[in-house]
Amino acid sequence: AQSVTQLGSHVSVSEGALVLLRCNYSSSVPPYLFWYVQYPNQGLQLLLKYTSAATLVKGINGFEAEFKKSETSFHLTKPSAHMSDAAEYFCAVRYTDKLIFGTGTRLQVFP
Amino acid sequence: GAGVSQTPSNKVTEKGKYVELRCDPISGHTALYWYRQSLGQGPEFLIYFQGTGAADDSGLPNDRFFAVRPEGSVSTLKIQRTERGDSAVYLCASSSTGGNSPLHFGNGTRLTVT
Repeated sequence: AQSVTQLGSHVSVSEGALVLLRCNYSSSVPPYLFWYVQYPNQGLQLLLKYTSAATLVKGINGFEAEFKKSETSFHLTKPSAHMSDAAEYFCAVRYTDKLIFGTGTRLQVFP
Repeated sequence: GAGVSQTPSNKVTEKGKYVELRCDPISGHTALYWYRQSLGQGPEFLIYFQGTGAADDSGLPNDRFFAVRPEGSVSTLKIQRTERGDSAVYLCASSSTGGNSPLHFGNGTRLTVT
């Protein structure tokens, strides 16, 4: 079965600094991978998805993620953090017709 | 152009009571999902509908949990004999076809069992 592991339940960065949120996957077949963001008291919003077309995937709000098969990773990055990026971020992998989510990483951005 | 709507947004009930949580998916979306999110955790899959039928209910924790989607649109998640451990945010999502089409989530129903 597919699964994802998010390393680091909390990440803190200064405004303007690089954001790096880690996700490693386990899959016996080529995976379909996703990053979602959740703002307080809201549902999850899709940031980006990898479906094997290109290894570097660009998403909304300046985020991107790179699929690295050799490292079984799909880390999320943003060159320069904004205060508005503070939220919970979830990596997910598709398994049959459902998404399996990681435990999430809470991003804090300090001025 | 409404998104996924979930009602109520908050529900407080006493242990042992029955509750129903409602989800209105995006119009035309054939796939509908229920997830449960406990504090500090990622969403946990409960059940997936394709049209009116439950295509995968492997995530339902026990027989106290049941969900229906009788007309292939609105879905209701039903919990009998609620327990304090059922307290969580219940999220609903829909997608146009299932498969690899993206999931659109509602804001969830926060269930508190006292």
